[in-house]
Amino acid sequence: GQQLNQSPQSMFIQEGEDVSMNCTSSSIFNTWLWYKQEPGEGPVLLIALYKAGELTSNGRLTAQFGITRKDSFLNISASIPSDVGIYFCAGLSSNTGKLIFGQGTTLQVKP
Amino acid sequence: NAGVTQTPKFQVLKTGQSMTLQCAQDMNHNSMYWYRQDPGMGLRLIYYSASEGTTDKGEVPNGYNVSRLNKREFSLRLESAAPSQTSVYFCASSPLESPNTEAFFGQGTRLTVV
Repeated sequence: GQQLNQSPQSMFIQEGEDVSMNCTSSSIFNTWLWYKQEPGEGPVLLIALYKAGELTSNGRLTAQFGITRKDSFLNISASIPSDVGIYFCAGLSSNTGKLIFGQGTTLQVKP
Repeated sequence: NAGVTQTPKFQVLKTGQSMTLQCAQDMNHNSMYWYRQDPGMGLRLIYYSASEGTTDKGEVPNGYNVSRLNKREFSLRLESAAPSQTSVYFCASSPLESPNTEAFFGQGTRLTVV
């Protein structure tokens, strides 16, 4: 079946550092979504990408929809302690309605 | 503006018991989803419903059934609970009616099967 491979699995960084994570798939998606989840909560949308090659920012977050439509990247610049959480990529096929998630990247930020 | 509402928030079941997890959305979305989240496994799709009247299996459907009762409600049923079904369950919905779409999540149901 379809799978999204998200890496790295976890990151422990110093406050102020930049962070990069990515997601790859064997299948093509026409929408890529990036979510953040905090303890005890459901995932919350950070960035949505709808076109191949699209680069979108949300504050210190920047995400890109890969040209092949099989991958996506999320960058966080100048990390702060409140960036701590689990980040998920998700691929949506609007043809089938299927939405699948990567395994998540756990981010810890040391003040 | 409730969004996606899941009930119950917590549940403890004995092995072999049955229960239904309820999910309702008030955003008039076409698609609804059920996921389970286990440590290190991310969110795995159990079942989804692309539109009212249709349901499809996801990655891990065994041991579960679903009902898309109407456009608002999508329930997940465990007929005979097993300890392996101990997990956090999330419901989500999406408009899925244009290229510009996203999914909104409920707060989760924490299920323990003993």
